[in-house]
Amino acid sequence: DAGVTQSPTHLIKTRGQQVTLRCSPKSGHDTVSWYQQALGQGPQFIFQYYEEEERQRGNFPDRFSGHQFPNYSSELNVNALLLGDSALYLCASSLWGLNTEAFFGQGTRLTVV
Amino acid sequence: DAKTTQPPSMDCAEGRAANLPCNHSTISGNEYVYWYRQIHSQGPQYIIHGLKNNETNEMASLIITEDRKSSTLILPHATLRDTAVYYCIAESGGYQKVTFGIGTKLQVIP
Repeated sequence: DAGVTQSPTHLIKTRGQQVTLRCSPKSGHDTVSWYQQALGQGPQFIFQYYEEEERQRGNFPDRFSGHQFPNYSSELNVNALLLGDSALYLCASSLWGLNTEAFFGQGTRLTVV
Repeated sequence: DAKTTQPPSMDCAEGRAANLPCNHSTISGNEYVYWYRQIHSQGPQYIIHGLKNNETNEMASLIITEDRKSSTLILPHATLRDTAVYYCIAESGGYQKVTFGIGTKLQVIP
């Protein structure tokens, strides 16, 4: 079992550009959540997808959008990048409706210059 | 989700038990206490969770007070590899909208 995989691991973008990050959940998991982690801070919840719909959303602007595919994989899109979007982006997978743990990927380190 | 409060940092001697406290005084009846840890630049790793009974697994023990307003994560024999940031989270089960605070940075000292 490969666990949660994220791609790419690192990338550098220019302010104003758009970026797409990808996540494949742990085998058998149906729910994907995305987090942003700035340096020295805890992860901040962006949104969560289940059955290809956004189910919950944190306090992030509409520039942050996502998608979940029928195979449960997910994408995070960020438009009009700002310098402040530089962070580690984490994907977590879990099972909807159960009190079980989330499994996290290793993250994508995004640097906006 | 209930807010949790943790000390920002702690030290523990290698081989000794590490006891990490967490305050969650506003926790509601259906919220579980979860513990995760994050080793530098890696994704968070699940440790243990519980509702009201004490729990133990191969990694740690979780002690929840009877009123559920606080809990303690116990690493019985800390090793250098346990150096990490430990997050205590109180959340409604099943939907995984996990709200992390700053956590406790545990430094295990040789």
